[in-house]
Amino acid sequence: EAGVVQSPRYKIIEKKQPVAFWCNPISGHNTLYWYRQNLGQGPELLIRYENEEAVDDSQLPKDRFSAERLKGVDSTLKIQPAELGDSAVYLCASSLDLTGTGGEKAQYFGPGTRLLVL
Amino acid sequence: GEDVEQSLFLSVREGDSSVINCTYTDSSSTYLYWYKQEPGAGLQLLTYIFSNMDMKQDQRLTVLLNKKDKHLSLRIADTQTGDSAIYFCAESPHAGNNRKLIWGLGTSLAVNP
Repeated sequence: EAGVVQSPRYKIIEKKQPVAFWCNPISGHNTLYWYRQNLGQGPELLIRYENEEAVDDSQLPKDRFSAERLKGVDSTLKIQPAELGDSAVYLCASSLDLTGTGGEKAQYFGPGTRLLVL
Repeated sequence: GEDVEQSLFLSVREGDSSVINCTYTDSSSTYLYWYKQEPGAGLQLLTYIFSNMDMKQDQRLTVLLNKKDKHLSLRIADTQTGDSAIYFCAESPHAGNNRKLIWGLGTSLAVNP
């Protein structure tokens, strides 16, 4: 079974340019996450989708960041315009969340996209 | 508030056991996870433990959970150079349908030949 797929793996852009990242979750996983990870830090949740609905976007800087998951499968995260401080690794993860509060919530991560803003 | 703490560095010799420790604050956590991140890679789920367990073993990995002290540890037996990576502890607070994981900063494990 294929894991979480992300593209591109690396991206170098100049500040003020737009950039987009793509994620294909594990087949059948209904929940998708976008994280940002800075060097020496743990991952920071940006947005979480359950199917096509964004259920937690409280940490997403909405002035420049946007995300979509139109058909409840693939997702795109966009930054426009990019700033120097956006340089980081952007990780996508997915999980199969059963209804209710029980059940393990293990998240499976893609390899990430390394963004460098010059 | 919710918080997860880990020591930042651990150095061991090849063949020795490694023990990576983690403390958390939310006593309602249902699941606790260990992830491994190799340089330039994403996070790989190693193992997880449900809060009603106190130990879980999976090949060279042993997870110990002390709920009273809110302490989680990951023991790697016969540590190999391929185990060199950053290990993240994460907890899943029991807050309704909240799927948010609370992450530690990671422990960098160096295995010396």
